[in-house]
Amino acid sequence: EAQVTQNPRYLITVTGKKLTVTCSQNMNHEYMSWYRQDPGLGLRQIYYSMNVEVTDKGDVPEGYKVSRKEKRNFPLILESPSPNQTSLYFCASSYTGRNTGELFFGEGSRLTVL
Amino acid sequence: AQSVTQLGSHVSVSEGALVLLRCNYSSSVPPYLFWYVQYPNQGLQLLLKYTSAATLVKGINGFEAEFKKSETSFHLTKPSAHMSDAAEYFCAVRAPFGNAGNMLTFGGGTRLMVKP
Repeated sequence: EAQVTQNPRYLITVTGKKLTVTCSQNMNHEYMSWYRQDPGLGLRQIYYSMNVEVTDKGDVPEGYKVSRKEKRNFPLILESPSPNQTSLYFCASSYTGRNTGELFFGEGSRLTVL
Repeated sequence: AQSVTQLGSHVSVSEGALVLLRCNYSSSVPPYLFWYVQYPNQGLQLLLKYTSAATLVKGINGFEAEFKKSETSFHLTKPSAHMSDAAEYFCAVRAPFGNAGNMLTFGGGTRLMVKP
């Protein structure tokens, strides 16, 4: 089954404790991206990757890091989480190219930073 | 730059009534437009998309949307609401090319509630 898998789905942590949210897709998509969802703000892009070893900042990259060492994986790293990073996070992937654009989303990771 | 505005963060309809969720966009080039649906505790799922072919687009679950360039709108409709349509709906826009990052710009979302 084609899917984007995120882990963990739920996490409560404390300020400053490094954490990683994993994301894996099995569709051989070149493009992967992380979004955060906050009430009334929709989804905002954090980082994206056009292919292996190619990453770039989205709209709200501060406080986050990513890596793309393999095509299927795109982990999101919070080196020193703060309460304003409490949010619902989504990983998404798609093919690249002019005539695409449909993103396939994971089920989300709800993060609470105390 | 592109942006999306969804009028009404919450919309309530009765079961069987017309569903109308509004989306207006701004884009410097003719855009691609999308509607996604998010059911509770799930990720976003594509409902339908406009990519410069027919202006009236039909999607899953009986939804459709019409691209109106003169009004810069892409409103989502369904003739008869069902209880299972209760969810949050997101409109998104993307420039068809020259947009690094394949990035979709999302609206703030509209939560649809369906009353029995």
